[in-house]
Amino acid sequence: DQQVKQNSPSLSVQEGRISILNCDYTNSMFDYFLWYKKYPAEGPTFLISISSIKDKNEDGRFTVFLNKSAKHLSLHIVPSQPGDSAVYFCAAPKTGANNLFFGTGTRLTVIP
Amino acid sequence: DAGVTQSPTHLIKTRGQQVTLRCSPKSGHDTVSWYQQALGQGPQFIFQYYEEEERQRGNFPDRFSGHQFPNYSSELNVNALLLGDSALYLCASSSGGGQNTEAFFGQGTRLTVV
Repeated sequence: DQQVKQNSPSLSVQEGRISILNCDYTNSMFDYFLWYKKYPAEGPTFLISISSIKDKNEDGRFTVFLNKSAKHLSLHIVPSQPGDSAVYFCAAPKTGANNLFFGTGTRLTVIP
Repeated sequence: DAGVTQSPTHLIKTRGQQVTLRCSPKSGHDTVSWYQQALGQGPQFIFQYYEEEERQRGNFPDRFSGHQFPNYSSELNVNALLLGDSALYLCASSSGGGQNTEAFFGQGTRLTVV
């Protein structure tokens, strides 16, 4: 049972434009969400998170939006840079724990 | 400050063999989680160790076992390897053993079963 879903396996964006990565979840008990970025031959690195009491969290070029009624969140990267090219994972911890449910990832390619 | 370190980085084993993977958590972290990432998939939670005990477990068979040492480092053991066990095995460390804290990942061990 895939509780966190990323339905777009890949995304290509021109440098300087906005990248929007989407994530859906099925478990209404999730109350915290994280985005991780993964480069080849490296482990995932934490990017940004959001609590369910918020609908937006911003950190520099990265903003995460949460729509609880739709069980949907999105990561916006503005402006996109070639160094942002990586696989992005959406994740949510099991309620009351910190083991994470991950989506299948979206490979972002930023074209110079 | 060293982050999460895993060893070895790559490993090739034969079906039916046993393997041990190792992880040292980030300094100051006391909780270690193990994940399996198959090709094209997101990481799947195997289990978590805190205070030298397995605290949580994902949907993995008993062939997968682990251990945490007093210095918080951890091992993942897989017995009777199957071809389907070929994957990237990731170790993540955090603190608090059950709080919603950011997990730091190692670079992973790429296991190939032939």
